[in-house]
Amino acid sequence: AQKITQTQPGMFVQEKEAVTLDCTYDTSDQSYGLFWYKQPSSGEMIFLIYQGSYDEQNATEGRYSLNFQKARKSANLVISASQLGDSAMYFCAMREGEKAAGNKLTFGGGTRVLVKP
Amino acid sequence: GAGVSQSPRYKVTKRGQDVALRCDPISGHVSLYWYRQALGQGPEFLTYFNYEAQQDKSGLPNDRFSAERPEGSISTLTIQRTEQRDSAMYRCASSLVQPAGELFFGEGSRLTVL
Repeated sequence: AQKITQTQPGMFVQEKEAVTLDCTYDTSDQSYGLFWYKQPSSGEMIFLIYQGSYDEQNATEGRYSLNFQKARKSANLVISASQLGDSAMYFCAMREGEKAAGNKLTFGGGTRVLVKP
Repeated sequence: GAGVSQSPRYKVTKRGQDVALRCDPISGHVSLYWYRQALGQGPEFLTYFNYEAQQDKSGLPNDRFSAERPEGSISTLTIQRTEQRDSAMYRCASSLVQPAGELFFGEGSRLTVL
């Protein structure tokens, strides 16, 4: 079974609107971490946001927020007020096990977002 | 250095040749990771080190792939007897061990095997 599933291969969003990128995960560990990365056409990998499995509040970083629903094993990324520069590939990733065990991440297949002016 | 540095950025080689890809992590980051990314897909874990110790090499596809980090800083990923299926972007990342936070990725080494 896939550990990280991103069901939306691609999507369009109108500039200034919000967009939600879906991510579901599969793990039997009680302690884990969830990450979102952005990969623009230049190819770099840019860290966006992190959510720990024991964090009670949803993580937020500027225009990015993570809608963490533990029981449903979902960690959707919400981008508010989309900008043209948000056009990129977005990857959801998971670290299984305790933080101290290191940051071996498993990545999903990605969602390509294109922001329309 | 300021960021994770990888070299070469681009490598074209003929099938059967050996290649070595180098990664220089962020200063002070003791964890170093190697990933492989095929076009249009997410990165796939290969191996990682804490200091000079290889902690996990479960993602290395076969015994043609090896990695080392002899002094706990710069790492080399070596692919022997390259095959066309080895063509991909090879990414290095580093992070702090404690607390284990985000991975900082390098720009990658794009390998093309003809």
